[in-house]
Amino acid sequence: QKEVEQDPGPLSVPEGAIVSLNCTYSNSAFQYFMWYRQYSRKGPELLMYTYSSGNKEDGRFTAQVDKSSKYISLFIRDSQPSDSATYLCATETGANNLFFGTGTRLTVIP
Amino acid sequence: ETGVTQSPTHLIKTRGQQVTLRCSSQSGHNTVSWYQQALGQGPQFIFQYYREEENGRGNFPPRFSGLQFPNYSSELNVNALELDDSALYLCASSLGTETEAFFGQGTRLTVV
Repeated sequence: QKEVEQDPGPLSVPEGAIVSLNCTYSNSAFQYFMWYRQYSRKGPELLMYTYSSGNKEDGRFTAQVDKSSKYISLFIRDSQPSDSATYLCATETGANNLFFGTGTRLTVIP
Repeated sequence: ETGVTQSPTHLIKTRGQQVTLRCSSQSGHNTVSWYQQALGQGPQFIFQYYREEENGRGNFPPRFSGLQFPNYSSELNVNALELDDSALYLCASSLGTETEAFFGQGTRLTVV
């Protein structure tokens, strides 16, 4: 079983839609949870970084962590064509050894 | 404040050769981690350097080795290249081992 499971998509939505991206993880020792955005042929860009269960909001982005079910989510409100990218969830135990999902490719259609 | 920079951006090598990839960490960051990202996959942890010492290693063979310099820049060396080593190699830096990691743009290595 992989440490982090993520639906690879692809996911296509119309501009303005709410996007929901999800991951599950297997190791209850994971304490930190991240979402990265990766444009084609670029390095991952950190979007959200959370420690505890609950929600964290940053503009149009909301990260949600449920440690009891080992489930992490990213919601994008009012999606824009510029949001089209691959979104990677990641987690770690605190030693900065990140475990990534496979990434979900998102396309926002104008 | 400069971000994480990697060189070269692209590289083509022949099977069996050796390669060195370089990474300059973000200003003030003392921890560098290296990841391998195969096409269509998430990045996989190779190893981490903290204050010039290796501080954790993923499931990669010994022909993957690294180094961190006093200015906290880092090198990734891969010996006896195999076709499966073709991937995007990513460097990430952070301040300590328990804070956010920021990635460079990566080096795309192609082994032929």
